[in-house]
Amino acid sequence: DAKTTQPPSMDCAEGRAANLPCNHSTISGNEYVYWYRQIHSQGPQYIIHGLKNNETNEMASLIITEDRKSSTLILPHATLRDTAVYYCIVRVDGNKLVFGAGTILRVKS
Amino acid sequence: DTEVTQTPKHLVMGMTNKKSLKCEQHMGHRAMYWYKQKAKKPPELMFVYSYEKLSINESVPSRFSPECPNSSLLNLHLHALQPEDSALYLCASSQGNRDYEQYFGPGTRLTVT
Repeated sequence: DAKTTQPPSMDCAEGRAANLPCNHSTISGNEYVYWYRQIHSQGPQYIIHGLKNNETNEMASLIITEDRKSSTLILPHATLRDTAVYYCIVRVDGNKLVFGAGTILRVKS
Repeated sequence: DTEVTQTPKHLVMGMTNKKSLKCEQHMGHRAMYWYKQKAKKPPELMFVYSYEKLSINESVPSRFSPECPNSSLLNLHLHALQPEDSALYLCASSQGNRDYEQYFGPGTRLTVT
């Protein structure tokens, strides 16, 4: 599975969009990009995934660059409850998730 | 019901004890997972059961013994653990054909004394 690089931490003002970047320059053609988050004292939570097209669901949007070497998770209107560690994971289809260090997102009022 | 439950929430055990962690889901998922998470670190996969058969063992020491009695239940039997095994143990499940979307339980906080 391709390696991912994320900033260790980010701050975001409440009500503003949170844009979380992820670099995955060695991604191969059959590898998907997945995002999970882990709120303090809880298990990780699936957010969204994509292959090459941009994706949107009720939680977030995922923007994948045309060369697929990087992606951005967008939380359109961050709230205090979105404070969490956000993990970007790249892998081929299958059931093995390998979590990297992630980005600590702090949403501040 | 999209919940994965884990019991107990907290467990303190001595190095000579035998204990078990339990995980349950009623979503009809056919894949179940055990992860270990040390403080301030990401979760690390330990075991995967697919259709009640062990499909992945990430070279976990034999003092950890998983068991999947049926498609809804997953146990992790613990014996002769070391203090460095103290961690949060997370269970997860997924549908057999949507494994990217894993549902995690809240975890069991294990302390080995």
